[in-house]
Amino acid sequence: AQSVAQPEDQVNVAEGNPLTVKCTYSVSGNPYLFWYVQYPNRGLQFLLKYITGDNLVKGSYGFEAEFNKSQTSFHLKKPSALVSDSALYFCAAGYNFNKFYFGSGTKLNVKP
Amino acid sequence: NAGVTQTPKFRVLKTGQSMTLLCAQDMNHEYMYWYRQDPGMGLRLIHYSVGEGTTAKGEVPDGYNVSRLKKQNFLLGLESAAPSQTSVYFCASSNTPGRSSYGYTFGSGTRLTVV
Repeated sequence: AQSVAQPEDQVNVAEGNPLTVKCTYSVSGNPYLFWYVQYPNRGLQFLLKYITGDNLVKGSYGFEAEFNKSQTSFHLKKPSALVSDSALYFCAAGYNFNKFYFGSGTKLNVKP
Repeated sequence: NAGVTQTPKFRVLKTGQSMTLLCAQDMNHEYMYWYRQDPGMGLRLIHYSVGEGTTAKGEVPDGYNVSRLKKQNFLLGLESAAPSQTSVYFCASSNTPGRSSYGYTFGSGTRLTVV
């Protein structure tokens, strides 16, 4: 079965430290990869995407993601976390209109 | 610049009652989707539409019906609500999936509780 896995339900980091939110996918072919962020009582917002090209993708709010084809991973990173980055993060993979698979989400807690 | 608008934002239903969730988008997107979000399970696709007058089943369609009579609107109906349908429902829209700038554009969600 095709799926996207986010192995950590929660990630805790101190403000100013680097953060990583992990994502691995099991989707056939070469899927498009996305990261979305969800703030409380809000819909998901686009952060960044990978379709092709450089393995390091830069997105909104200083976030970046590293694509690794051999490990089928697409980890979200940020060099220096902010308290305002605290939110729920979703990874998604797919390429057909009805074939986007979402991970279960990772709650990021950034503490002052 | 409204994007995707969902109404209502909150609703409490009694078991067996019916209701319709409305999704409206003003971006002229062809594709529209209904997802439900449950703790620890991410988002699961209920139904989707690839254009006006078309609908198709997603991953968890049972207990739901949809209609897309106008391009900008996508309605999700619950004919006889059950407690298992307690969830947060998100509508999304897109143009060519994947290649579009933002993938999907999501609404802010409808929190439904069935008692």
